[in-house]
Amino acid sequence: QSVLTQPPSVSGAPGQRVTISCTGGSSNIGAGYDVHWYQQLPGTAPKLLIYRNNYRPSGVPDRFSGSKSGISASLAITGLQAEDEADYYCLSYDGSLSGSVFGGGTKLTVL
Amino acid sequence: QVQLVQSGAEVKKPGASVKVSCKASGYDFTNYGFSWVRQAPGQGLEWMGWVSADNADTNYAESLQGRVTMTTDTSTSTAYMELRSLRSDDTAVYYCARDNGVGGPLYPDYWGQGTLVTVSS
Repeated sequence: QSVLTQPPSVSGAPGQRVTISCTGGSSNIGAGYDVHWYQQLPGTAPKLLIYRNNYRPSGVPDRFSGSKSGISASLAITGLQAEDEADYYCLSYDGSLSGSVFGGGTKLTVL
Repeated sequence: QVQLVQSGAEVKKPGASVKVSCKASGYDFTNYGFSWVRQAPGQGLEWMGWVSADNADTNYAESLQGRVTMTTDTSTSTAYMELRSLRSDDTAVYYCARDNGVGGPLYPDYWGQGTLVTVSS
């Protein structure tokens, strides 16, 4: 049970918009620590998708965006494509644990 | 280009230790730390800890305190993760990743290919 809560699964049709939430608490996201997002395709290493809440690394399409408010953060994916089907994880620092922590992960299915 | 190449798969017996290496290239090794992350079969990502490039600082997950040691060797641009007193639930793919944090973990950007560690009697 992670201190960062993500929905186990989300789904959407090609071309649609989906959002994935990451809810923490006063010792992590609510304390002002940044949230970062990763995409993991089956059988591969995670890939950095969003860093420092809303910045995209070079090469990541602008269909992916991040936001943060209060104790939560969100990853939005617009113009959903079949290749977006993957697991998505949020990451933040937790002051009470004195270390970083991942969310439990969300499986995105493209219908 | 940035590359992280990890050592090969390991099979260990319960109670043994394992040491995974991660050789970095394509950037200034001394400017970034390393995070280690593991993933048990069919499970999510678990952050294990962070080490600074010069070994001066470490930050380990509470659940692994006392069993894990992370180090680096700047002469060979290699990071290491040693896990002791292995149990069956340590069976996982272990990833090293370059971390952008200074003085502590922040976010990994480039990742190694992963090393499968299997703990079985």
